[in-house]
Amino acid sequence: DAGVIQSPRHEVTEMGQEVTLRCKPISGHDYLFWYRQTMMRGLELLIYFNNNVPIDDSGMPEDRFSAKMPNASFSTLKIQPSEPRDSAVYFCASSPRTGWDTEAFFGQGTRLTVV
Amino acid sequence: AQTVTQSQPEMSVQEAETVTLSCTYDTSENNYYLFWYKQPPSRQMILVIRQEAYKQQNATENRFSVNFQKAAKSFSLKISDSQLGDTAMYFCAFMKMETDSWGKLQFGAGTQVVVTP
Repeated sequence: DAGVIQSPRHEVTEMGQEVTLRCKPISGHDYLFWYRQTMMRGLELLIYFNNNVPIDDSGMPEDRFSAKMPNASFSTLKIQPSEPRDSAVYFCASSPRTGWDTEAFFGQGTRLTVV
Repeated sequence: AQTVTQSQPEMSVQEAETVTLSCTYDTSENNYYLFWYKQPPSRQMILVIRQEAYKQQNATENRFSVNFQKAAKSFSLKISDSQLGDTAMYFCAFMKMETDSWGKLQFGAGTQVVVTP
């Protein structure tokens, strides 16, 4: 497997525009996570899914943020409208459920810059 | 809620030397996992080592080992025989051991490790 694939790797957009980040998890993984990394707040969990169903979205900062997982191989994180303070690196991660032996596998992240 | 604290923003070490990174955490849970992830300049998050709280034996992975003190809620990482490729940000992370929390991580602020020739 190629690992968790995120696209794009870099995104620059103007304030007010809609931004969509994409993620393809590792095949067979039951869990998918969206994290945001900033200098001020470090790595924080935004939302996660189990078998395509959102389980906990308490980390989503505002209604401007939304995430979907229409099937087991694809997820999106959308920001509409985007603001400069949304500038960050956004990571997608997936995790199998294999008894107690688990780890989260991360994608390479999308660096978002909102100007 | 859990908190993870890494009190060392940056550590410098010479090649072939040993460096120890500290991590403390606060939790009321009895069963959990602890992890160290490495983030090199490429930005990729890479799992370095994992420790199950119910295991008393400290985990080791080649040159990486941990000192897990459950009562003290301490989880330090030792990098032995440091190599230039170890230069990265290192994150300590906590995960509850429960059905709805597989892979859900609480991260510390990170420690930047710089290995010098």
